Amino acid sequence: QMQLQESGPGLVKPSETLSLTCSVSGGSVTSPSYYWAWVRQSPGKGLEWLASIINSGSTYYNPSLKRRVTISIDASDNQFSLQLTSVTAADTSVYFCAKHLSSPWTPFFYWGQGALVTVSS
Amino acid sequence: QSVLTQPPSVSGAPGQTVTISCTGTSSNIGAGYHVHWYQQLPGAAPKLLIYNDNNRPSGVPDRFSGSKSGTSASLAITGLQADDEAEYYCQSYDNSPSFGTGTKVTVL
Repeated sequence: QMQLQESGPGLVKPSETLSLTCSVSGGSVTSPSYYWAWVRQSPGKGLEWLASIINSGSTYYNPSLKRRVTISIDASDNQFSLQLTSVTAADTSVYFCAKHLSSPWTPFFYWGQGALVTVSS
Repeated sequence: QSVLTQPPSVSGAPGQTVTISCTGTSSNIGAGYHVHWYQQLPGAAPKLLIYNDNNRPSGVPDRFSGSKSGTSASLAITGLQADDEAEYYCQSYDNSPSFGTGTKVTVL
């Protein structure tokens, strides 16, 4: 059974960069058929897809956030990461890492438990 | 912000059937993209409930079913149970993955 676990700072100052890591167990982030993703949920709000990646290097970004978001894979630690630059209070959310069922055009099948990140000075 | 509209809430008594709608447009559901459904219990991550319009992952009870027609999709929950009380989200694609606004299901 694949498991995903988010980690990173719970508090980030406005204008700084939010960085989160997702540790994967029960599967390899370098698998040629696995697509990984980040999804966030603002307090009391709905879900928003941020980005997806496969180890071959192909990345997919939410057009509304593309200039601020970077997703990457760290094969040595079997992890993948999210960076979101120039954060504001509007970026305060629970951030979930997830794995697509197969391609980026398939549902999110495995999810981490989520990590709350608050943007505040 | 979401391009997929769901009713904010639906409710039903135990044993009843509730249906949740997901209304899109010709650029997402109407364009033929699949619809998926997730159940989110309080404080938990979403769980995939229905994928590709009407398919259930292993372990999901057949009380949950999905359908799609035109620019809309629906999730039906039959034989409503107390532990079905949760938030439900549809998801499709509009150049990129997009989620619905979410529906709170209350078991009376």
